[in-house]
Amino acid sequence: AQSVTQLGSHVSVSEGALVLLRCNYSSSVPPYLFWYVQYPNQGLQLLLKYTSAATLVKGINGFEAEFKKSETSFHLTKPSAHMSDAAEYFCAVSLSASGSARQLTFGSGTQLTVLP
Amino acid sequence: SAVISQKPSRDICQRGTSLTIQCQVDSQVTMMFWYRQQPGQSLTLIATANQGSEATYESGFVIDKFPISRPNLTFSTLTVSNMSPEDSSIYLCSVVRGRRGDTQYFGPGTRLTVL
Repeated sequence: AQSVTQLGSHVSVSEGALVLLRCNYSSSVPPYLFWYVQYPNQGLQLLLKYTSAATLVKGINGFEAEFKKSETSFHLTKPSAHMSDAAEYFCAVSLSASGSARQLTFGSGTQLTVLP
Repeated sequence: SAVISQKPSRDICQRGTSLTIQCQVDSQVTMMFWYRQQPGQSLTLIATANQGSEATYESGFVIDKFPISRPNLTFSTLTVSNMSPEDSSIYLCSVVRGRRGDTQYFGPGTRLTVL
């Protein structure tokens, strides 16, 4: 079985400050990991993904995440927050052994607020 | 990636009625998925829809309540039947892409309110 835990349902940062959104996973086999963003009244947009290649993954809009197997973590970071980053962020895991994304399990989400 | 559209984008329905949601993809895909996102919650997989076969439903979801059609490789529908206020959610479809079919891309969602 696989699961994802996102620590902090709400995170607030000041514009220009570091963004750190936490994600820990549980998986019995090497996982594929994803971060999605959901802007108000929109669907989910893929930010970045880890699929067993480089452990530091760069995504769109200046976001990146690092896969740390020893810590079972895949935290999302951005050096400098922008007002347009305000959104809901979801971490998700799927089982690489299956070779497909069918068993995609989502975390509960983190609402990011950026303060002026 | 993939260009995915959903219709309607939102609707307000009366209790006891049914709504059919359409999902259209810009190119052929083998697997399509339907998710539900209840207010303030994360996404929960309802079912997987493969062309030419019956949809596979996840625990807690049944075909009588959420019938799915998959008539071709670019289109699927999800019907929410005999609706109640508890069905008020965002319904999203997704498709698999990527070199190894390892990434899901999502449509914009259908926002359903049941009165």
